[in-house]
Amino acid sequence: GAVVSQHPSWVICKSGTSVKIECRSLDFQATTMFWYRQFPKQSLMLMATSNEGSKATYEQGVEKDKFLINHASLTLSTLTVTSAHPEDSSFYICSAYGQGAGNSPLHFGNGTRLTVT
Amino acid sequence: GESVGLHLPTLSVQEGDNSIINCAYSNSASDYFIWYKQESGKGPQFIIDIRSNMDKRQGQRVTVLLNKTVKHLSLQIAATQPGDSAVYFCAENVGTGRRALTFGSGTRLQVQP
Repeated sequence: GAVVSQHPSWVICKSGTSVKIECRSLDFQATTMFWYRQFPKQSLMLMATSNEGSKATYEQGVEKDKFLINHASLTLSTLTVTSAHPEDSSFYICSAYGQGAGNSPLHFGNGTRLTVT
Repeated sequence: GESVGLHLPTLSVQEGDNSIINCAYSNSASDYFIWYKQESGKGPQFIIDIRSNMDKRQGQRVTVLLNKTVKHLSLQIAATQPGDSAVYFCAENVGTGRRALTFGSGTRLQVQP
């Protein structure tokens, strides 16, 4: 089945620094990937849609200059949290559809736990 | 029984019992629904899906019921096992395009041995 891999699985950084999270589709090509954020005991909230070869589409309230998304290839999307602050501490999860047409399950990576100190 | 936590309702069941997790979805235009299981520190894992032209679909030990009239979705887990303990989310989508999913608020299932 379709496998989505995220790296790192967890990261601790100091306030003001930037952190890059990678999302890879291991056995399929993904022209579109989605980035979600999840705070403790809450649901997944869509942050942005990452499109290969073009600009990402951000959800309302998500700062595009703070959460930089790059989808340079069909198997890799990156999310960079710039000038991180403690309130950016969260669980970041990427996802992608596998190959094939029409509706199919969205496959998720195992998430990246970001802690900003 | 069912209780409401800080943000996540919790359902506690005894091992071997059947579990029913409910979800009210928001968009009357949604026509594709999925249940995901999320264990602590991991990403959501697909359990079962259903399209709006169906009202019931069965998998291995799981059944999803869809009531479009009241915009309600349920997940039934038969013979619940300790390994079923996790947070369960319903998610919805509209149309056949590969759009992002909208997730429900989730329910924590605790299975008592």
